[in-house]
Amino acid sequence: GQQLNQSPQSMFIQEGEDVSMNCTSSSIFNTWLWYKQDPGEGPVLLIALYKAGELTSNGRLTAQFGITRKDSFLNISASIPSDVGIYFCAGHSFGNEKLTFGTGTRLTIIP
Amino acid sequence: EAGVVQSPRYKIIEKKQPVAFWCNPISGHNTLYWYLQNLGQGPELLIRYENEEAVDDSQLPKDRFSAERLKGVDSTLKIQPAELGDSAVYLCASSFGTSEETQYFGPGTRLLVL
Repeated sequence: GQQLNQSPQSMFIQEGEDVSMNCTSSSIFNTWLWYKQDPGEGPVLLIALYKAGELTSNGRLTAQFGITRKDSFLNISASIPSDVGIYFCAGHSFGNEKLTFGTGTRLTIIP
Repeated sequence: EAGVVQSPRYKIIEKKQPVAFWCNPISGHNTLYWYLQNLGQGPELLIRYENEEAVDDSQLPKDRFSAERLKGVDSTLKIQPAELGDSAVYLCASSFGTSEETQYFGPGTRLLVL
């Protein structure tokens, strides 16, 4: 099935660094979501975006709904060890009642 | 409030054997989803239920996969017979109403087919 393109595929950073990742689609979405998945667990919703251009924060996380409706961005400031995991974007469009997930960005924090 | 419960958490079977996964959604959530997650990939929808009705099963390989949600609460996903390529994580999620963006995922069942 279709999967959205996420970049980068993986990131190796030091604790305290800021992180940026993005997600692109060939089709327009009306809702963009960002999930985090820890090993052995299911994805957990971090942020939901509902309007083009919208910028939403959740603690140290900030996400943006791209103006073209075909992309979204997630930033994490001052990373901490518990930020380690895989981050997935997901898009939803009206009239197509299903979520399309990205391929994931794996975040690793180097000691 | 309890989250989505799935069992078993892990399953190892030989190819051609049947296997079943069980999901108990969050209380009050009438929409239930089964997803397949291959290694290194995001989840892909297999089937979506609204109450006891399967409203989207277009991605479910019906030759070997089946699902049911009797009484509109718990659900079971079955594979018979399992193939090597079925090794993956099977995730269940639920949401209140039909809003796709408020899905809550269970921990998943990790299947290994030998």
